[in-house]
Amino acid sequence: KAGVTQTPRYLIKTRGQQVTLSCSPISGHRSVSWYQQTPGQGLQFLFEYFSETQRNKGNFPGRFSGRQFSNSRSEMNVSTLELGDSALYLCASSKGLAANTYNEQFFGPGTRLTVL
Amino acid sequence: GESVGLHLPTLSVQEGDNSIINCAYSNSASDYFIWYKQESGKGPQFIIDIRSNMDKRQGQRVTVLLNKTVKHLSLQIAATQPGDSAVYFCAEKAQGGKLIFGQGTELSVKP
Repeated sequence: KAGVTQTPRYLIKTRGQQVTLSCSPISGHRSVSWYQQTPGQGLQFLFEYFSETQRNKGNFPGRFSGRQFSNSRSEMNVSTLELGDSALYLCASSKGLAANTYNEQFFGPGTRLTVL
Repeated sequence: GESVGLHLPTLSVQEGDNSIINCAYSNSASDYFIWYKQESGKGPQFIIDIRSNMDKRQGQRVTVLLNKTVKHLSLQIAATQPGDSAVYFCAEKAQGGKLIFGQGTELSVKP
């Protein structure tokens, strides 16, 4: 069974631009969560999508948004990029059964975003 | 707010020794904890989990201990090997099922 895939793996942007990252979950998984990883803040939860609906959200500004398609693939978008948005963006998929329970999450390799 | 923190940012051990990685959490209502291992260039990988109704759980060469009184958990790795070199994160299940991660501890195994 293929794992979680993320594209692109590396990305360089300049301040003010916007970026879209893509995540393909494990086949059969309906939940996709996004995390931002930086040396200073560690792994921080961005949001979770389940059946094309945002089910959970972290404490990030509105510049960070996402969506999920009917095939469970997900994209996240960051608008008006800032230097501080440079990070590894990780996507994790799970079966997503019952919002308030834990379903084991399987992480992709991440997209390394550098903002210049 | 909710947070999970690690006591040591780096840990260096000799191959064959046992490793202990510690983690403190702040939400006493948390009922589920997970340890992840992240190797360079990869996403976090599940190692072992524990529910709050347990004090100890063992896996293959790994043991997780949970002390709810002081809100502390630890990961013990027996007979540490070079392949264990990685960053280790503890994570706490928060309301709604989302994960709150600690800062991470980098484990370095010297041959």
